[in-house]
Amino acid sequence: KAGVTQTPRYLIKTRGQQVTLSCSPISGHRSVSWYQQTPGQGLQFLFEYFSETQRNKGNFPGRFSGRQFSNSRSEMNVSTLELGDSALYLCASSLFGPNTEAFFGQGTRLTVV
Amino acid sequence: DQQVKQNSPSLSVQEGRISILNCDYTNSMFDYFLWYKKYPAEGPTFLISISSIKDKNEDGRFTVFLNKSAKHLSLHIVPSQPGDSAVYFCAASERGTSYGKLTFGQGTILTVHP
Repeated sequence: KAGVTQTPRYLIKTRGQQVTLSCSPISGHRSVSWYQQTPGQGLQFLFEYFSETQRNKGNFPGRFSGRQFSNSRSEMNVSTLELGDSALYLCASSLFGPNTEAFFGQGTRLTVV
Repeated sequence: DQQVKQNSPSLSVQEGRISILNCDYTNSMFDYFLWYKKYPAEGPTFLISISSIKDKNEDGRFTVFLNKSAKHLSLHIVPSQPGDSAVYFCAASERGTSYGKLTFGQGTILTVHP
């Protein structure tokens, strides 16, 4: 069974630009969550989608947004990029969300210059 | 406010011995706990989980213990192998409406020496 697929693996963007990251969850999984990993803050929850609806959101500014499509694939968007947005962005899929194991993709490494 | 803490940034163990990784939490609403293993530039890999209704769960070489009164959990790896060398994260989820949200500790770097 295929795992969680994130594209692209690496991105370099300039301050002020916007970026869109993509995540394809494990087949049959309906919950997709996004996390940001930085050396200083560790793994921080961004948001979670289930059946195309955002159910939960972490403490990130409105520049961070996402959506989920009917096939459960998800995208996250960061607008007006800042240097501090440089991080590994991880997507996780699970069957239902709470109290079920989340399986992570390999992540997208975003570098803002 | 760090709700999940892994107070040991690193742990070094000899091959064949037991590795014990610890995690403390402060949020009494957490009711499900997970351990993940992570290599650099890759996503975390799920290892083992435990519900708050249990105090122990085993899966092969990995055992997780939960002490709810102390708000403490630990991961035991027996016997440790060099391939176990990685960063280990504990994570917790909260009952109620915190759908899909895992709160992670800062991680412990485990090094297993041959």
